[in-house]
Amino acid sequence: ETGVTQTPRHLVMGMTNKKSLKCEQHLGHNAMYWYKQSAKKPLELMFVYSLEERVENNSVPSRFSPECPNSSHLFLHLHTLQPEDSALYLCASSQESGSGANVLTFGAGSRLTVL
Amino acid sequence: GEDVEQSLFLSVREGDSSVINCTYTDSSSTYLYWYKQEPGAGLQLLTYIFSNMDMKQDQRLTVLLNKKDKHLSLRIADTQTGDSAIYFCAEDPNSGGYQKVTFGIGTKLQVIP
Repeated sequence: ETGVTQTPRHLVMGMTNKKSLKCEQHLGHNAMYWYKQSAKKPLELMFVYSLEERVENNSVPSRFSPECPNSSHLFLHLHTLQPEDSALYLCASSQESGSGANVLTFGAGSRLTVL
Repeated sequence: GEDVEQSLFLSVREGDSSVINCTYTDSSSTYLYWYKQEPGAGLQLLTYIFSNMDMKQDQRLTVLLNKKDKHLSLRIADTQTGDSAIYFCAEDPNSGGYQKVTFGIGTKLQVIP
């Protein structure tokens, strides 16, 4: 399998549930990202892992907890979410280079609905 | 901070040209990108332009960059129904390293047969 794969594609959860989103990339990239896509809002960068270290955390509430166990896998653990957290969560990866454009490869996203 | 602005919606007839516009604020942007998102899918890179260029052409796609006005446009010639999607403009102030890309809100292109 190639590219960036996200599971599950759809998730419905209650506000007291704990769930996780999973992302896997088969591209040999060394950076992985979580983005949040909400209607009529720009794509929001949530977390960045570069070489398995978290390098970016854009003031995301602690109810979202990322985990990057290795360079191919990225998780987003969800706990006591709010209805306004309902969105499409996109995972992406890229290959760091010394110069030049670094292109993001996105997964298809996990559509989250919080009841 | 960085900000990327796009209109929300564009409707064109099949066979016509589409022009999607974008303005950005970070004058240090090194690369500017256009991504396409089809229904039920993630974003896919369409094309990008380096900031020292003012035009790039790739088959039906033409990217124009006006660095002075911080204006980027994407022209799609002979627009087809398969071009219906959301198009995101994005800027990146970095060269190399991990991406700290700022995306716009996305322009939904509707192609009328």
